[in-house]
Amino acid sequence: EPEVTQTPSHQVTQMGQEVILRCVPISNHLYFYWYRQILGQKVEFLVSFYNNEISEKSEIFDDQFSVERPDGSNFTLKIRSTKLEDSAMYFCASSEAGVGYTFGSGTRLTVV
Amino acid sequence: GDSVTQMEGPVTLSEEAFLTINCTYTATGYPSLFWYVQYPGEGLQLLLKATKADDKGSNKGFEATYRKETTSFHLEKGSVQVSDSAVYFCGAGSGSRLTFGEGTQLTVNP
Repeated sequence: EPEVTQTPSHQVTQMGQEVILRCVPISNHLYFYWYRQILGQKVEFLVSFYNNEISEKSEIFDDQFSVERPDGSNFTLKIRSTKLEDSAMYFCASSEAGVGYTFGSGTRLTVV
Repeated sequence: GDSVTQMEGPVTLSEEAFLTINCTYTATGYPSLFWYVQYPGEGLQLLLKATKADDKGSNKGFEATYRKETTSFHLEKGSVQVSDSAVYFCGAGSGSRLTFGEGTQLTVNP
């Protein structure tokens, strides 16, 4: 079964540092997403990406965040200057036609 | 935007008991509806989905029916197993965004 792969599984970073979370979506999927889940809270939409540009973003996705598809396989989320409240599980997802996503296993980001 | 309200947890059941987890949504249009399951330490797995009114999604003994008149998509299973213990998330999708409910923790005891 095709999978969405995320690396690393756990990242610890100091406040103010930049982090890049990496994702390899399913190869024939065209739509890519990032979600986050703060511990014990609901899963929240961050951004969707299609045809090499952001198609929708939430109010959470401010100037600190950016996404990129640097090559034909990777999809990255960058947080420029991490804050304590950025500590969360970050999930990448992809879909073929915009509904029915496949999620990755997530990257647990801990900001200290 | 869309919003999703789920039955509060945690829910604890004995093996072979009947499960219902309530989910209601608000949306301006007619979103697709989903149930995802999250096992400990893992990501979200699509359990079932329905894309239009009166559709029934089903998988692994779970089912949910898209009810437009009550804006609901309640998850049911006739006989739960210990292996069903997980967090269940209801989701509504319009356009390129999925909106999730709070999640319901289910624990099934032998």
